[in-house]
Amino acid sequence: AQKVTQAQTEISVVEKEDVTLDCVYETRDTTYYLFWYKQPPSGELVFLIRRNSFDEQNEISGRYSWNFQKSTSSFNFTITASQVVDSAVYFCALKGLGSSNTGKLIFGQGTTLQVKP
Amino acid sequence: KAGVTQTPRYLIKTRGQQVTLSCSPISGHRSVSWYQQTPGQGLQFLFEYFSETQRNKGNFPGRFSGRQFSNSRSEMNVSTLELGDSALYLCATNSGGEGASGANVLTFGAGSRLTVL
Repeated sequence: AQKVTQAQTEISVVEKEDVTLDCVYETRDTTYYLFWYKQPPSGELVFLIRRNSFDEQNEISGRYSWNFQKSTSSFNFTITASQVVDSAVYFCALKGLGSSNTGKLIFGQGTTLQVKP
Repeated sequence: KAGVTQTPRYLIKTRGQQVTLSCSPISGHRSVSWYQQTPGQGLQFLFEYFSETQRNKGNFPGRFSGRQFSNSRSEMNVSTLELGDSALYLCATNSGGEGASGANVLTFGAGSRLTVL
């Protein structure tokens, strides 16, 4: 079975602090994809990153960085120098390939990040 | 280009009624997936349509159904509404192919928030 766990339900930081959101996944597939989405109060899920299971290179995009470690089945997300606009719910998701997985993302429960000024 | 459009954005129904939600995908996107988001269960996959055919289905009762039209627009229907059907219903679209490109990024709409009284 596929599963994604985001153990941190809520995180509160003060602006300019760094914050890491944890994501641990379970799958028996050898090929799979991992995603992070951001959900602001408006409700729309905004895509942040996609990573396939064969690419363990860490990625940095501006203040955002992602650490993928297959050995520990983790795909953690770090925001450097957080800003109030980063306040949102963040979801980690897993997707397998094949006919039983078309259009289907397995989401974690989400982490609510509050950045205070 | 225009994003994923969901209508209506908000609606209130009473138990026993039925509801139809609509999703217009990004131009060129042929796959439409539906998700239910509730505080208790999180984000759960309902079903996915591609070329007017249901290609994948989640674990929801038969009261939840959908269809896709030739222009790729999709509707989902919930019959005999229950209080527990109160949720944010999100539609996500992508081009639909999963060949050499692997798992496509799903682009989400802002959702339809259904309240059942």
